[in-house]
Amino acid sequence: AQTVTQSQPEMSVQEAETVTLSCTYDTSESDYYLFWYKQPPSRQMILVIRQEAYKQQNATENRFSVNFQKAAKSFSLKISDSQLGDAAMYFCAYRREGGGADGLTFGKGTHLIIQP
Amino acid sequence: DAGVIQSPRHEVTEMGQEVTLRCKPISGHDYLFWYRQTMMRGLELLIYFNNNVPIDDSGMPEDRFSAKMPNASFSTLKIQPSEPRDSAVYFCASSLHGTGAYEQYFGPGTRLTVT
Repeated sequence: AQTVTQSQPEMSVQEAETVTLSCTYDTSESDYYLFWYKQPPSRQMILVIRQEAYKQQNATENRFSVNFQKAAKSFSLKISDSQLGDAAMYFCAYRREGGGADGLTFGKGTHLIIQP
Repeated sequence: DAGVIQSPRHEVTEMGQEVTLRCKPISGHDYLFWYRQTMMRGLELLIYFNNNVPIDDSGMPEDRFSAKMPNASFSTLKIQPSEPRDSAVYFCASSLHGTGAYEQYFGPGTRLTVT
């Protein structure tokens, strides 16, 4: 079974600084997808960024980028120019490639605090 | 364009009562997922449907839980009888086959409290 591990229960960063959230996963599959979701206090789950395992290029969405290391099974999220609105729980998630859309396997989450 | 809609947003019930949670997926999406979020276990998949057919219900905790999808725009998750340990936030999500990574879009969740 696949597992996703987020080793940082909580991270704190000054506004406008850069922060990196860590995620590792375990799978025997060669093709899969990885995601970062943001959950603010409203509890809405918001997709931040996704990465296809077959792509070597790291995904980027505005201030959010990932460092995908397939051999190391590592998928970290970098947030540049942190803003107060970035404060939230961040979840790393995995989904295997397959004939259908399997459910996501989530990590336990990292609580990100933005210091003004 | 409306996202995934869930109702109710909050539900408080007494142990032993039946609880029904409702979900309307994004129009045109052919996959629907039910997740549960607790402090102890985090986010876990309960069941998912493809074209209204249940595909994997291995995450459903026990027979007290049941889910249905009578048509493409409506699904229910029922707990009967409810127990205090069922207290959690229940999310519904939907996705569309063929759209690359099959991104799942989540509803706002239903916070269930069983007293």
